[in-house]
Amino acid sequence: GEDVEQSLFLSVREGDSSVINCTYTDSSSTYLYWYKQEPGAGLQLLTYIFSNMDMKQDQRLTVLLNKKDKHLSLRIADTQTGDSAIYFCAESITPYNQGGKLIFGQGTELSVKP
Amino acid sequence: DAGVTQSPTHLIKTRGQQVTLRCSPKSGHDTVSWYQQALGQGPQFIFQYYEEEERQRGNFPDRFSGHQFPNYSSELNVNALLLGDSALYLCASSWDRGSASDTQYFGPGTRLTVL
Repeated sequence: GEDVEQSLFLSVREGDSSVINCTYTDSSSTYLYWYKQEPGAGLQLLTYIFSNMDMKQDQRLTVLLNKKDKHLSLRIADTQTGDSAIYFCAESITPYNQGGKLIFGQGTELSVKP
Repeated sequence: DAGVTQSPTHLIKTRGQQVTLRCSPKSGHDTVSWYQQALGQGPQFIFQYYEEEERQRGNFPDRFSGHQFPNYSSELNVNALLLGDSALYLCASSWDRGSASDTQYFGPGTRLTVL
């Protein structure tokens, strides 16, 4: 079945690292994405990882994938107050732009305190 | 270069009414998907349009229908509105022949309130 789960809240201090976790159930998931949503706004694609990768780094963002445990994490280094938002994990069996729908988690609200 | 645009921004309807939401994809994009995001939840896939046809559909009743025009813009129609249809409706566009590394653009959404 298709299901994505995330913890609902995370609070960190400015300058610390944030780690947002996600688990998914569909073993045929091929593409996994992280999106950011700020209040009153749409979704912004932050990064993605293919299922044949273990890790992907993009500036302050590091994505780790454990396929065996179906666990995905997003690490934000040197978290800033501007990183406060809701972060969504999403999975897709085929690429979104080749007909694949995205299955989203419930979102993790990240609060960054100065 | 405008990104994905949606109209209207906000909409208030009463139960039983019908509503039409509109989406213009980012320039160069030919595929449009619609998602429903209830308060406090992640977006749920409604359907995707490509070449003016519905290519894939999520678990939504037939009250939800759509259309894609030759210029790739799209409409989402919801008939016989229920209170539970109150949500943020998001449109996303992409280029069908792109890859997963291409950015997938979401619009700002239309906030629908059903009273």
